[in-house]
Amino acid sequence: AQKITQTQPGMFVQEKEAVTLDCTYDTSDQSYGLFWYKQPSSGEMIFLIYQGSYDEQNATEGRYSLNFQKARKSANLVISASQLGDSAMYFCAMRPYNFNKFYFGSGTKLNVKP
Amino acid sequence: NAGVMQNPRHLVRRRGQEARLRCSPMKGHSHVYWYRQLPEEGLKFMVYLQKENIIDESGMPKERFSAEFPKEGPSILRIQQVVRGDSAAYFCASSPTQGVGQPQHFGDGTRLSIL
Repeated sequence: AQKITQTQPGMFVQEKEAVTLDCTYDTSDQSYGLFWYKQPSSGEMIFLIYQGSYDEQNATEGRYSLNFQKARKSANLVISASQLGDSAMYFCAMRPYNFNKFYFGSGTKLNVKP
Repeated sequence: NAGVMQNPRHLVRRRGQEARLRCSPMKGHSHVYWYRQLPEEGLKFMVYLQKENIIDESGMPKERFSAEFPKEGPSILRIQQVVRGDSAAYFCASSPTQGVGQPQHFGDGTRLSIL
């Protein structure tokens, strides 16, 4: 069975500090993709970053990086230098090789304090 | 380059009516996915379509729900005889290919409210 777990329903971070959002996953597939999406209060889903299961280096996209630990089946999102506009829901998702669909976690609500 | 277009943004229906949700994928994208998001939850997969074909409908309720992606025009998610439990945000996503590393690009969603 495919499962994504985000154990932090809500997080607070001070502006300009870094924050880590946790994500663990469960799959029997050897090949899979891991994704993070941001959902602001306006509701749209914004793609942030992707990590392939065979990628040896952690993915980075601007202030976003993905701390990928394959043996632990974790794919944590790190946001550096938080900004007020980072306040949103963040969803971790997985696309196993044998299933052409995304499995989403329940999300983490991030609040950035000024 | 227009993104995934969904309409309407908000839809209100009374119990027993039909709801039709439309999705135009990004230009060049032939793979369309529908997801449902209940309040305070993540997105749940419903159906995956390519032009004129339903590829995977494993997440779609067997009754009252149907989806199509015709050769011409947008993809349609249709919910017949709506009930209160159908109230949710419905997201459409598209991708140009089905590779494991291919992100799905989402529309802004349709918020369906059942009175």
